[in-house]
Amino acid sequence: KQEVTQIPAALSVPEGENLVLNCSFTDSAIYNLQWFRQDPGKGLTSLLLIQSSQREQTSGRLNASLDKSSGRSTLYIAASQPGDSATYLCAVATGNQFYFGTGTSLTVIP
Amino acid sequence: EPEVTQTPSHQVTQMGQEVILRCVPISNHLYFYWYRQILGQKVEFLVSFYNNEISEKSEIFDDQFSVERPDGSNFTLKIRSTKLEDSAMYFCASSAGGRGEAFFGQGTRLTVV
Repeated sequence: KQEVTQIPAALSVPEGENLVLNCSFTDSAIYNLQWFRQDPGKGLTSLLLIQSSQREQTSGRLNASLDKSSGRSTLYIAASQPGDSATYLCAVATGNQFYFGTGTSLTVIP
Repeated sequence: EPEVTQTPSHQVTQMGQEVILRCVPISNHLYFYWYRQILGQKVEFLVSFYNNEISEKSEIFDDQFSVERPDGSNFTLKIRSTKLEDSAMYFCASSAGGRGEAFFGQGTRLTVV
């Protein structure tokens, strides 16, 4: 069964810092990997989708990379802002479902 | 921008009662999903639905759960006899293709008392 792990579980940084969130998964036979943002008590907002054949995707200040063979993905956030404070979830697609990690809770301090 | 819509946003029900959670997926999407998140835990897969039938379901999705696409726009999750442990946030999602980007709704918080 696919297991997805995210580290760190929580991260607190001053505004303006660049940061990296990590995601690892045990089964490399994935179709794609998606990063989501979740605000407290809210739904999941899609940030980036990386297909299994891709190495990275970029959207604004966000860059996600995928190394399928080693079972790792990173989400890089440049020039962090207080509005980036949220929980970031990594999800890998295997079969007809996503397997989610437990998330990284990010706090950006003004 | 198209979005997945879920109703109600919050439902409180008594143990043993039936509940129906409703979702309107993005209109041109063909794949539909239900996930749940118990407070403080991971988002867990329940079921995927394509071409008017279940394509995959998890161990959680037992006989008390069912899904239906009653018309061209709605996608529902029914829990026949709710238990206290069914209390969770339930998310509906849809995607255009089986390996495409998934879009999630804002969730329905189900509280079983």
